[in-house]
Amino acid sequence: DQQVKQNSPSLSVQEGRISILNCDYTNSMFDYFLWYKKYPAEGPTFLISISSIKDKNEDGRFTVFLNKSAKHLSLHIVPSQPGDSAVYFCAAYSGAGSYQLTFGKGTKLSVIP
Amino acid sequence: GAGVSQSPSNKVTEKGKDVELRCDPISGHTALYWYRQSLGQGLEFLIYFQGNSAPDKSGLPSDRFSAERTGGSVSTLTIQRTQQEDSAVYLCASSLGGSTGELFFGEGSRLTVL
Repeated sequence: DQQVKQNSPSLSVQEGRISILNCDYTNSMFDYFLWYKKYPAEGPTFLISISSIKDKNEDGRFTVFLNKSAKHLSLHIVPSQPGDSAVYFCAAYSGAGSYQLTFGKGTKLSVIP
Repeated sequence: GAGVSQSPSNKVTEKGKDVELRCDPISGHTALYWYRQSLGQGLEFLIYFQGNSAPDKSGLPSDRFSAERTGGSVSTLTIQRTQQEDSAVYLCASSLGGSTGELFFGEGSRLTVL
């Protein structure tokens, strides 16, 4: 039973346009969500996070939106750059002090110059 | 180095052999995690160490898998009698405390079981 779902395995976007990566979750106990970015042959790196008390968090070109009622979050990248081409993982956990991140399968983003 | 270090980066072994994967976390990080990523899958939690507390082994897929962390620093993940389904990238991560947030991942150890 997959608790964190990224239904799009891949996404292609033109440089300069907006990239929107989506993530759905089923566990209503999740209250903290993160996005990680992974380049080939490297470990994932933390990108941005959001707690369930917020519906938006912004960091430069990256914005994460959370819709708790729909159990859905999305990552917006604008403008997209070729260096953003990577696999993006959505992750979630429940409770302060909790330690087990549950990851989605990832979405491979390709930004075309 | 300043990051999480894992070795070996690549390991090819024959079915039935034992393998050991090593992780050297960031200095000062008390929490250490092992995840694995099989082909086309997300990251699967395996085990978690926090300070001197008993590790959470709830993600280990079978009793062929074990891990230890010596002196609160270096960790070794051991897979006994490897099977082909054990083929995956094994990722180690560390963080400052027990609360999950920003995990710092190593580059992973790619295990191939023939």
